[in-house]
Parts: sequence; structure tokens; C-alpha cells
Amino acid sequence: GGIITQTPKFLIGQEGQKLTLKCQQNFNHDTMYWYRQDSGKGLRLIYYSITENDLQKGDLSEGYDASREKKSSFSLTVTSAQKNEMAVFLCASSMKGGTEVFFGKGTRLTVV
Amino acid sequence: GDSVTQTEGQVALSEEDFLTIHCNYSASGYPALFWYVQYPGEGPQFLFRASRDKEKGSSRGFEATYDKGTTSFHLRKASVQESDSAVYYCALGVDTNAYKVIFGKGTHLHVLP
Repeated sequence: GGIITQTPKFLIGQEGQKLTLKCQQNFNHDTMYWYRQDSGKGLRLIYYSITENDLQKGDLSEGYDASREKKSSFSLTVTSAQKNEMAVFLCASSMKGGTEVFFGKGTRLTVV
Repeated sequence: GDSVTQTEGQVALSEEDFLTIHCNYSASGYPALFWYVQYPGEGPQFLFRASRDKEKGSSRGFEATYDKGTTSFHLRKASVQESDSAVYYCALGVDTNAYKVIFGKGTHLHVLP
């Protein structure tokens, strides 16, 4: 088995601040994802990376940057935190397309 | 564009009731279809998948059948238990090789003892 570790678990930032969320996986999976989870809106895809050195925008990429530093790590940057984006950010990985996606426990972002 | 629609936001049942959670999708071709379950404080967990018309996926007593004609993948369970209380997500793997995975809004299932 493997695990996805997201840091930090809780992140408090100020409005307008640039914030970075980190994710590590030890599954040796090629593909990694960032989702945002808001109550009543489900999971919305922000960015995904099919393999190391690849980056694809999801449906909610505006206001975010992502970086796949190496196969095992994928970070997400909120470029300018806004109060209306308080949510849980979930990192995930999968071996390849069409297969099971494994999730971390999330980073809860609060913007004050 | 590609999308997943879950009709029910909340479902309340008693133990041993029959469960149906509706999932309809919009996508071209034959996308991969998934069901995930999320418990409080955890990330979503994979239940099962299907990738061909009429294929049935199943796990832990839950099942769903891929229906290309009605673009549906409804989740069913014959007899729910209190421990099934959770949020259920239908998901769709789209684009070439289904790397892009998009989720529905989720259905919160409450099972009363």
C-alpha cells in the first residue's frame, strides 16, 4: 500500500496572500491531482499532472498555480487568497488514466 | 462540456431499505465511470468502476451498471446499514485515456437505525 501526505493540515492566510499547499505520495504513481471541495459543490478539479514534468489545467485553475517538482510531489499555490475560497483542498494520485484515484486527507484553508 | 449530475443532494433511509442514488453524465465516447465514498475527516475512497456499456461494477454490496443509452450509472444497494452513512460521489474519466477525472456534487446518505 501507499499513502498521500498533505501539508499542512490546516492553513490560515490573509486575504491577498500567496499560499502554498504541498502533497507527497509514495505509491510511485505517475498521475497526480488537486481538487477543491466546497460544501454542496462536490470536488472540482484545479490541476492535474499526467506524468512528471506535465501540467494540465482543470476546470477551476484560475487563481491557482501548480508545480510537479518530481514524480512523488505536487504542490498547489493560491496566488492571491480570497475570503470566498475557504475550502478543503484534496490531493490525489493514480497509476494511470481510468484507474482508481487515491486521495489524501486534505488541507483546510481559512482566509481571514 | 463534460459533466456529472447527481440528482439527490441528501437521502435519508432506514436500515434495510433499498438505496438508489442517481448519476447521469455528459461526455463523448465511452468515458470511464466511477463511484467513490467519503467518510467524515477522510478523503474519498474508490468503490468501483466500469468502462464499457452494460458493464456492472460492484463492491461492498453496492452496484451500478454502465448505461450508454441513458448516460447513467446509478448506485444501488439492496439493504443499507447505518455504517453506510457517508457522502457518495459519481465520477467520470474523460479525455484521452481518462486521465482527467471530474466528480459530481455528491449525495449525502443518512441511514437511521
